[in-house]
Order: sequence, then C-alpha cells, then structure tokens
Amino acid sequence: QQQVKQSPQSLIVQKGGISIINCAYENTAFDYFPWYQQFPGKGPALLIAIRPDVSEKKEGRFTISFNKSAKQFSLHIMDSQPGDSATYFCAASRSNSGYALNFGKGTSLLVTP
Amino acid sequence: NAGVTQTPKFQVLKTGQSMTLQCAQDMNHNSMYWYRQDPGMGLRLIYYSASEGTTDKGEVPNGYNVSRLNKREFSLRLESAAPSQTSVYFCASSEWGTREAFFGQGTRLTVV
Repeated sequence: QQQVKQSPQSLIVQKGGISIINCAYENTAFDYFPWYQQFPGKGPALLIAIRPDVSEKKEGRFTISFNKSAKQFSLHIMDSQPGDSATYFCAASRSNSGYALNFGKGTSLLVTP
Repeated sequence: NAGVTQTPKFQVLKTGQSMTLQCAQDMNHNSMYWYRQDPGMGLRLIYYSASEGTTDKGEVPNGYNVSRLNKREFSLRLESAAPSQTSVYFCASSEWGTREAFFGQGTRLTVV
C-alpha cells in the first residue's frame, strides 16, 4: 500500500502566489524526506530534502516544513512562477531498505501568468 | 558526465514477448533502483540493489527480474510481457551518504 500519502492531486496557483503541497507518512523508521520535481518527458530531479532532526529547510523559494510528531511534511513554493509548472512528488526512505524511495502519488502544479 | 543512462527510450512489445531494459550510471554510486510510473500512481519501486552483488524486491516485483551486472549496470527483464506492464520505467542510482537519487530519462514501454 502507499506508504506516503500526498495531497492535493492537482493545484492551480497564480503567478506570485504560494503553492503548498502536503504529505503524510506512517512508518516512523523513515529518516529522509525529499521532494522531486518532474517535467513532462523527463525523469524526476531532486528539489529539496530534509531529515527528521530539523523542522524546516529553505532553499531559495522552496521550503520544506516537517512535523515529526504528526508525521507530516509539506513543500511551500513562494512567489510561484510559470516555470514551476510541473509534477511534484514527495518521498521517504529509510536506511535499512537500500535507501529506496517511497513516493507519494504526485501533485500536478500549474502556475498561471 | 552522462549520469544515469537508460536504453531503449521507447519500445513496443507484443504480449508474451521478452525484453531487457538496460541502465548504466557513471557516478560510482552503490545503490541502484528500478521504478515504474503510471498515471495517478506516482513512482513504484520494482526492485533495488543496495550494493553490487545484492538485489531485493520492491513494492511491485511480480513479472520482473533484475541483474546487477557490476557496480555501473543494473538491468530489468520482462520474461513474458503483459499489457499491465505498459508503463514508463525509470532507473535511478544513489550514494549512501547523500541519499540523493539521480534518475534516467525513462523508457516508455507499450505492451499490445
């Protein structure tokens, strides 16, 4: 079954707005939580990642917020741009399974001009 | 620096045919993975190889086999293709320390 649940399935945001995508997990053994960005016809590429010993990580316009007690984490895209239009996947992995990623089902983001 | 290279990029198979998807990485990574991506399902792990000489089943291994040929190469074999295996297949590799996984461009497979 899906070990990482992601919402919403799709999101439309105006240019300059904030995009927020949420994920939840059950397995407390997960110790690495990345977000991947995928453009049509391409493979996913790492956007930003966090480990459970911190509650927030920011890289440019992208921020991960992590709530260990609630087993939830989210991606915030500030000042969203049309070039951010893509599919975003959250994921989680643990060290005792070859670091294999367990992905959410993805969020299709469209940023309108 | 090519990263992760997958071949072929596109393939059409008839039901019952077999084929091998090839994957090679030039980043000296220890771990390699095969995922399939279906609309609305995200990426699901088929098999992984945590290190050279080891392979393990992922979430959806039925109908597939893998071979970790050496540290660089990890192949995925469909022995008797079925329409349910129509999908986009991604190979990825990662290093134990950084945990960042790098993905290939994908193989779009259609089984008719």
